[in-house]
Amino acid sequence: ETGVTQSPTHLIKTRGQQVTLRCSSQSGHNTVSWYQQALGQGPQFIFQYYREEENGRGNFPPRFSGLQFPNYSSELNVNALELDDSALYLCASSRDSSNTGELFFGEGSRLTVL
Amino acid sequence: AQRVTQPEKLLSVFKGAPVELKCNYSYSGSPELFWYVQYSRQRLQLLLRHISRESIKGFTADLNKGETSFHLKKPFAQEEDSAMYYCALSYGNDYKLSFGAGTTVTVRA
Repeated sequence: ETGVTQSPTHLIKTRGQQVTLRCSSQSGHNTVSWYQQALGQGPQFIFQYYREEENGRGNFPPRFSGLQFPNYSSELNVNALELDDSALYLCASSRDSSNTGELFFGEGSRLTVL
Repeated sequence: AQRVTQPEKLLSVFKGAPVELKCNYSYSGSPELFWYVQYSRQRLQLLLRHISRESIKGFTADLNKGETSFHLKKPFAQEEDSAMYYCALSYGNDYKLSFGAGTTVTVRA
């Protein structure tokens, strides 16, 4: 089965720009979560999508938004980029939105904001 | 607020020695706890979860609600155990994980 894939793997943006990151979930998974991992820190939950609806959000401002498509792939959009948005963005999929299952992570998209 | 603390950033042990990674949490409800691992040049993956009460690759973790801890242990470390380990807590009815900052384990020959 195909694992979670993310694109692009690396990108560089300047402050104030907008970015879209993409994620294809693992086959059979209907839930996608996005995490931000700053250097030297653990991943921080941004939001989760379950069957195309946002199903929970972490402590991130509204300029962080997302989408989930009918095939359960997902996008993370960040507007008005700030220097502190520089991080590894991880996508994870799971079979459903329960809290006892396993998250399957992608390799991440590394964003650098100059 | 939910919080996961891993007090050790770095842990170095000799091959064959026991290894214990500490994890403490603060949460007022009944948490689900996990250990995730990231080996060199690999993606983050689940090692074990409290609810399964299983031993994976020789690792075990016991939830101690009195001490709010979920320490990860292995009696005899192997070189292939060298990795970054994250303790994580799930809360509520959906899949939001709170991660600790991680512990880098190096097993020396």
